[in-house]
Amino acid sequence: AQSVTQPDIHITVSEGASLELRCNYSYGATPYLFWYVQSPGQGLQLLLKYFSGDTLVQGIKGFEAEFKRSQSSFNLRKPSVHWSDAAEYFCAVGGRNKLVFGAGTILRVKS
Amino acid sequence: DGGITQSPKYLFRKEGQNVTLSCEQNLNHDAMYWYRQDPGQGLRLIYYSQIVNDFQKGDIAEGYSVSREKKESFPLTVTSAQKNPTAFYLCASSMTPGGAMNTEAFFGQGTRLTVV
Repeated sequence: AQSVTQPDIHITVSEGASLELRCNYSYGATPYLFWYVQSPGQGLQLLLKYFSGDTLVQGIKGFEAEFKRSQSSFNLRKPSVHWSDAAEYFCAVGGRNKLVFGAGTILRVKS
Repeated sequence: DGGITQSPKYLFRKEGQNVTLSCEQNLNHDAMYWYRQDPGQGLRLIYYSQIVNDFQKGDIAEGYSVSREKKESFPLTVTSAQKNPTAFYLCASSMTPGGAMNTEAFFGQGTRLTVV
Protein backbone atom coordinates (compact mmCIF):
# COMPACT_ATOMS: atom_id res chain seq x y z
CA ALA A 1 0.00 0.00 0.00
CA GLN A 2 1.10 3.52 -0.64
CA SER A 3 2.21 5.63 2.29
CA VAL A 4 3.99 8.90 2.92
CA THR A 5 5.98 9.88 5.99
CA GLN A 6 6.86 13.42 6.90
CA PRO A 7 9.05 13.02 9.99
CA ASP A 8 8.92 16.63 11.13
CA ILE A 9 5.63 17.92 12.50
CA HIS A 10 6.97 21.44 13.06
CA ILE A 11 10.03 23.24 11.74
CA THR A 12 11.15 26.74 12.66
CA VAL A 13 13.69 28.62 10.54
CA SER A 14 14.94 32.16 10.50
CA GLU A 15 14.01 34.40 7.62
CA GLY A 16 16.72 34.19 4.98
CA ALA A 17 17.92 30.77 6.12
CA SER A 18 17.75 27.67 3.97
CA LEU A 19 14.99 25.11 4.35
CA GLU A 20 14.65 21.38 3.83
CA LEU A 21 11.44 19.48 4.50
CA ARG A 22 11.71 15.72 4.51
CA CYS A 23 9.42 13.25 2.79
CA ASN A 24 9.72 9.48 2.50
CA TYR A 25 7.30 7.39 0.50
CA SER A 26 6.39 3.77 0.06
CA TYR A 27 5.11 2.68 -3.32
CA GLY A 28 5.69 -0.42 -5.39
CA ALA A 29 6.04 1.17 -8.79
CA THR A 30 7.47 4.40 -10.15
CA PRO A 31 5.82 7.03 -8.00
CA TYR A 32 4.15 10.24 -8.96
CA LEU A 33 5.23 12.68 -6.25
CA PHE A 34 3.87 16.05 -5.25
CA TRP A 35 4.43 18.82 -2.76
CA TYR A 36 1.49 21.03 -1.79
CA VAL A 37 1.30 24.06 0.47
CA GLN A 38 -1.65 25.13 2.60
CA SER A 39 -2.22 28.46 4.32
CA PRO A 40 -4.49 28.36 7.40
CA GLY A 41 -8.13 27.73 6.53
CA GLN A 42 -7.40 27.45 2.83
CA GLY A 43 -7.18 24.77 0.19
CA LEU A 44 -3.98 23.23 -1.09
CA GLN A 45 -1.78 24.71 -3.79
CA LEU A 46 0.64 22.65 -5.84
CA LEU A 47 4.29 23.63 -5.41
CA LEU A 48 5.88 21.05 -7.69
CA LYS A 49 5.57 17.52 -9.00
CA TYR A 50 7.77 14.67 -10.17
CA PHE A 51 6.69 12.11 -12.72
CA SER A 52 9.89 11.03 -14.47
CA GLY A 53 13.10 12.36 -15.94
CA ASP A 54 15.32 14.84 -14.15
CA THR A 55 15.33 14.01 -10.46
CA LEU A 56 15.68 17.65 -9.44
CA VAL A 57 12.43 19.48 -10.07
CA GLN A 58 11.76 23.18 -9.83
CA GLY A 59 8.52 24.58 -8.56
CA ILE A 60 6.83 27.84 -7.82
CA LYS A 61 7.92 30.38 -5.19
CA GLY A 62 11.57 29.33 -5.48
CA PHE A 63 11.06 25.79 -4.18
CA GLU A 64 12.77 22.70 -5.54
CA ALA A 65 12.69 19.01 -4.66
CA GLU A 66 14.97 16.09 -5.35
CA PHE A 67 13.75 12.56 -6.02
CA LYS A 68 16.07 9.88 -4.65
CA ARG A 69 14.84 6.43 -5.53
CA SER A 70 17.47 4.66 -3.44
CA GLN A 71 16.30 6.48 -0.33
CA SER A 72 12.59 6.60 -1.25
CA SER A 73 12.73 10.29 -0.57
CA PHE A 74 11.42 13.47 -2.13
CA ASN A 75 12.70 16.31 0.04
CA LEU A 76 11.62 19.89 -0.51
CA ARG A 77 14.18 22.69 -0.37
CA LYS A 78 14.41 26.44 -0.59
CA PRO A 79 17.69 28.39 -0.39
CA SER A 80 16.29 31.43 1.41
CA VAL A 81 13.02 31.41 3.30
CA HIS A 82 10.68 34.40 3.34
CA TRP A 83 8.20 35.18 6.11
CA SER A 84 5.37 34.52 3.63
CA ASP A 85 6.50 30.88 3.36
CA ALA A 86 5.04 30.14 6.79
CA ALA A 87 2.37 27.52 6.12
CA GLU A 88 1.77 23.79 6.25
CA TYR A 89 3.44 21.63 3.63
CA PHE A 90 2.20 18.27 2.44
CA CYS A 91 4.02 15.62 0.48
CA ALA A 92 1.85 13.23 -1.54
CA VAL A 93 2.27 10.15 -3.69
CA GLY A 94 -0.09 9.45 -6.58
CA GLY A 95 -1.16 5.89 -7.10
CA ARG A 96 -4.19 4.29 -8.62
CA ASN A 97 -7.20 6.60 -8.38
CA LYS A 98 -6.01 8.66 -5.45
CA LEU A 99 -3.38 10.80 -3.81
CA VAL A 100 -2.00 9.65 -0.49
CA PHE A 101 -0.79 12.46 1.75
CA GLY A 102 1.68 12.69 4.56
CA ALA A 103 0.64 14.20 7.89
CA GLY A 104 2.14 17.56 6.97
CA THR A 105 4.93 19.78 8.29
CA ILE A 106 4.12 23.16 9.77
CA LEU A 107 6.75 25.73 8.90
CA ARG A 108 7.28 28.70 11.16
CA VAL A 109 9.51 31.56 10.08
CA LYS A 110 11.10 33.79 12.68
CA SER A 111 12.38 37.26 11.92
CA ASP B 1 -11.91 31.71 -14.06
CA GLY B 2 -11.73 27.95 -13.83
CA GLY B 3 -11.64 26.34 -10.46
CA ILE B 4 -13.36 24.45 -7.70
CA THR B 5 -15.98 26.04 -5.50
CA GLN B 6 -16.92 24.64 -2.14
CA SER B 7 -19.80 25.96 -0.12
CA PRO B 8 -20.44 26.93 2.54
CA LYS B 9 -17.09 27.90 4.03
CA TYR B 10 -18.35 27.31 7.58
CA LEU B 11 -21.13 24.96 8.59
CA PHE B 12 -22.63 24.17 11.95
CA ARG B 13 -24.71 21.08 12.55
CA LYS B 14 -26.56 19.69 15.49
CA GLU B 15 -25.87 16.14 16.49
CA GLY B 16 -28.16 13.69 14.73
CA GLN B 17 -28.62 15.82 11.63
CA ASN B 18 -27.43 15.09 8.13
CA VAL B 19 -25.67 17.88 6.27
CA THR B 20 -24.57 18.24 2.64
CA LEU B 21 -21.40 19.96 1.50
CA SER B 22 -21.33 21.34 -2.01
CA CYS B 23 -18.47 21.00 -4.51
CA GLU B 24 -18.63 22.34 -8.06
CA GLN B 25 -15.86 22.47 -10.67
CA ASN B 26 -15.67 24.09 -14.10
CA LEU B 27 -12.33 22.59 -15.08
CA ASN B 28 -13.93 19.81 -17.15
CA HIS B 29 -12.14 17.26 -14.98
CA ASP B 30 -13.34 13.70 -14.97
CA ALA B 31 -12.21 12.81 -11.46
CA MET B 32 -13.37 14.36 -8.21
CA TYR B 33 -12.42 13.60 -4.61
CA TRP B 34 -13.42 14.35 -1.05
CA TYR B 35 -10.79 14.51 1.67
CA ARG B 36 -11.11 15.05 5.38
CA GLN B 37 -8.40 16.95 7.23
CA ASP B 38 -7.75 16.72 10.94
CA PRO B 39 -4.78 18.31 12.73
CA GLY B 40 -1.69 16.13 12.56
CA GLN B 41 -3.29 13.52 10.30
CA GLY B 42 -2.88 14.94 6.86
CA LEU B 43 -5.66 14.43 4.34
CA ARG B 44 -7.65 11.22 4.30
CA LEU B 45 -9.71 10.14 1.32
CA ILE B 46 -13.45 9.76 1.91
CA TYR B 47 -14.84 9.10 -1.59
CA TYR B 48 -13.74 9.55 -5.16
CA SER B 49 -15.38 9.46 -8.56
CA GLN B 50 -13.69 8.89 -11.89
CA ILE B 51 -16.79 9.35 -14.08
CA VAL B 52 -20.38 10.48 -13.83
CA ASN B 53 -22.74 8.10 -12.05
CA ASP B 54 -19.87 6.15 -10.53
CA PHE B 55 -17.98 6.59 -7.27
CA GLN B 56 -15.83 4.53 -4.95
CA LYS B 57 -15.20 4.46 -1.23
CA GLY B 58 -11.94 5.81 0.02
CA ASP B 59 -10.20 5.02 3.27
CA ILE B 60 -12.75 6.54 5.67
CA ALA B 61 -16.14 6.32 3.92
CA GLU B 62 -18.21 5.20 6.91
CA GLY B 63 -20.84 7.77 7.82
CA TYR B 64 -20.57 9.61 4.51
CA SER B 65 -22.39 9.43 1.18
CA VAL B 66 -21.88 11.05 -2.21
CA SER B 67 -23.51 11.34 -5.63
CA ARG B 68 -22.14 12.20 -9.07
CA GLU B 69 -25.10 13.02 -11.28
CA LYS B 70 -23.23 15.69 -13.22
CA LYS B 71 -19.61 15.97 -14.23
CA GLU B 72 -19.33 19.35 -12.54
CA SER B 73 -20.80 18.42 -9.16
CA PHE B 74 -19.82 16.03 -6.39
CA PRO B 75 -21.76 16.75 -3.16
CA LEU B 76 -20.84 15.07 0.09
CA THR B 77 -23.42 14.22 2.75
CA VAL B 78 -22.23 13.79 6.30
CA THR B 79 -24.78 11.56 7.95
CA SER B 80 -25.69 11.15 11.60
CA ALA B 81 -23.82 7.85 11.49
CA GLN B 82 -20.50 9.67 11.30
CA LYS B 83 -19.21 9.50 14.87
CA ASN B 84 -16.84 12.44 14.80
CA PRO B 85 -17.79 14.74 11.93
CA THR B 86 -16.15 17.95 13.11
CA ALA B 87 -13.33 18.53 10.62
CA PHE B 88 -12.14 20.49 7.61
CA TYR B 89 -13.38 19.00 4.34
CA LEU B 90 -11.61 19.49 1.05
CA CYS B 91 -12.87 18.73 -2.42
CA ALA B 92 -10.48 18.20 -5.32
CA SER B 93 -10.57 17.36 -9.00
CA SER B 94 -8.10 16.16 -11.60
CA MET B 95 -7.66 14.72 -15.03
CA THR B 96 -6.72 11.12 -14.40
CA PRO B 97 -6.55 9.08 -17.56
CA GLY B 98 -7.15 5.50 -16.59
CA GLY B 99 -7.09 6.37 -12.94
CA ALA B 100 -3.40 7.14 -12.84
CA MET B 101 -2.71 10.03 -10.50
CA ASN B 102 -0.09 11.53 -12.75
CA THR B 103 -1.66 14.94 -13.04
CA GLU B 104 -2.14 17.74 -10.61
CA ALA B 105 -5.14 17.74 -8.31
CA PHE B 106 -6.86 21.09 -7.85
CA PHE B 107 -8.40 21.84 -4.49
CA GLY B 108 -11.30 23.94 -3.32
CA GLN B 109 -11.02 26.32 -0.36
CA GLY B 110 -12.60 23.85 2.02
CA THR B 111 -15.61 23.68 4.33
CA ARG B 112 -15.15 23.66 8.07
CA LEU B 113 -17.89 21.60 9.67
CA THR B 114 -18.58 21.91 13.37
CA VAL B 115 -21.04 19.74 15.23
CA VAL B 116 -22.67 21.59 18.11
